[in-house]
Amino acid sequence: AQKVTQAQTEISVVEKEDVTLDCVYETRDTTYYLFWYKQPPSGELVFLIRRNSFDEQNEISGRYSWNFQKSTSSFNFTITASQVVDSAVYFCALTQGGMYSGGGADGLTFGKGTHLIIQP
Amino acid sequence: DGGITQSPKYLFRKEGQNVTLSCEQNLNHDAMYWYRQDPGQGLRLIYYSQIVNDFQKGDIAEGYSVSREKKESFPLTVTSAQKNPTAFYLCASSIPASPRAQHFGDGTRLSIL
Repeated sequence: AQKVTQAQTEISVVEKEDVTLDCVYETRDTTYYLFWYKQPPSGELVFLIRRNSFDEQNEISGRYSWNFQKSTSSFNFTITASQVVDSAVYFCALTQGGMYSGGGADGLTFGKGTHLIIQP
Repeated sequence: DGGITQSPKYLFRKEGQNVTLSCEQNLNHDAMYWYRQDPGQGLRLIYYSQIVNDFQKGDIAEGYSVSREKKESFPLTVTSAQKNPTAFYLCASSIPASPRAQHFGDGTRLSIL
């Protein structure tokens, strides 16, 4: 069985602070994919990043960066110089590789989410 | 614009009624999914379909049914057997080997009258 744990239920920081959202996962598969999604108050899920289990290279996209460490089964997400628009619920998710290499054909397993509040 | 359309945005159900949530996509995606989200919770998989005329149960399929007669459409019926249907329902789609993973609709919020 797969499991994703986001231990931080809610984080509140002041604008321009850096913030890291933690994600720890469990899976018995050797091929798997990890994702981060953002859910603003309007409710839709916005895709942020996908990482496969064979690629431990960290990634940076503007103010966002991700740290993937297989040794600790973690896939943490850092926002640098946070802004009020970053306020949202952030979900970490996992799927096994399976027959299809990238789409998560069997569906995603989500963590419970971290509610990030950026105060002006 | 290509995307996933869920309707209605808000839906109310009386006790004992079945209701159907619509999900349509024009992305030419093979796979489609239904998730349920409860307050303070992550998304949980209800059903998914990897191809037309085929679908599989997810983690919480009891009290729900689906059909996949067309590639573009994956309606979800919440039956009277679902005792706690009040939730936010999200539909998603994806293609194999997609670098952008699953695309989500804007969701339908279902409430019991």
